[in-house]
Amino acid sequence: AQTVTQSQPEMSVQEAETVTLSCTYDTSESDYYLFWYKQPPSRQMILVIRQEAYKQQNATENRFSVNFQKAAKSFSLKISDSQLGDAAMYFCAYPTPSGGGADGLTFGKGTHLIIQP
Amino acid sequence: EAGVAQSPRYKIIEKRQSVAFWCNPISGHATLYWYQQILGQGPKLLIQFQNNGVVDDSQLPKDRFSAERLKGVDSTLKIQPAKLEDSAVYLCASRLTGGDYGYTFGSGTRLTVV
Repeated sequence: AQTVTQSQPEMSVQEAETVTLSCTYDTSESDYYLFWYKQPPSRQMILVIRQEAYKQQNATENRFSVNFQKAAKSFSLKISDSQLGDAAMYFCAYPTPSGGGADGLTFGKGTHLIIQP
Repeated sequence: EAGVAQSPRYKIIEKRQSVAFWCNPISGHATLYWYQQILGQGPKLLIQFQNNGVVDDSQLPKDRFSAERLKGVDSTLKIQPAKLEDSAVYLCASRLTGGDYGYTFGSGTRLTVV
């Protein structure tokens, strides 16, 4: 079965500091996408960053970057200059194709990020 | 562009009652997903539609859950009869078929079964 593991149920960081959230996954696919989503109390899943597995270069989006280690099946998220608005649940996910066009996302259990002012 | 619309935002029902959730995806998005998110967990896929056809419903508890997308646009997810363990947030998502997996989520419906 395809799995996503987020080993940090909760992380706390001081405002303006850097924090890294970890994620490991298990897939037999050779080409795939990986995602980090943010879920604030409003419940809507907001895409933070996306990585294509065939690309060697790690994705970056402003203060957000990833460390993608394909061989180790590791996909960590680094948030630089943390802001109060970054406080939320963060989920790692990837599409799990299973034939016939099925590609629903498999999610980890999430990491609750707390920003200390 | 307008986002994925879901209603109602909250619903409280007694066990053994029935309930329905509605989702209107982004215009032009052929693929639609329903997820169940139990408190403290990540979302779990229930069903995926491509236009009005079911692509994947392997994790849908078919004895009590049903879903339809009759005209290939909006969709309804129904639970009948509800159990206490169905208390969760039900998220709808949509995306264009193919492309770069640009999933867009709605704000979900929080269901409480008492």
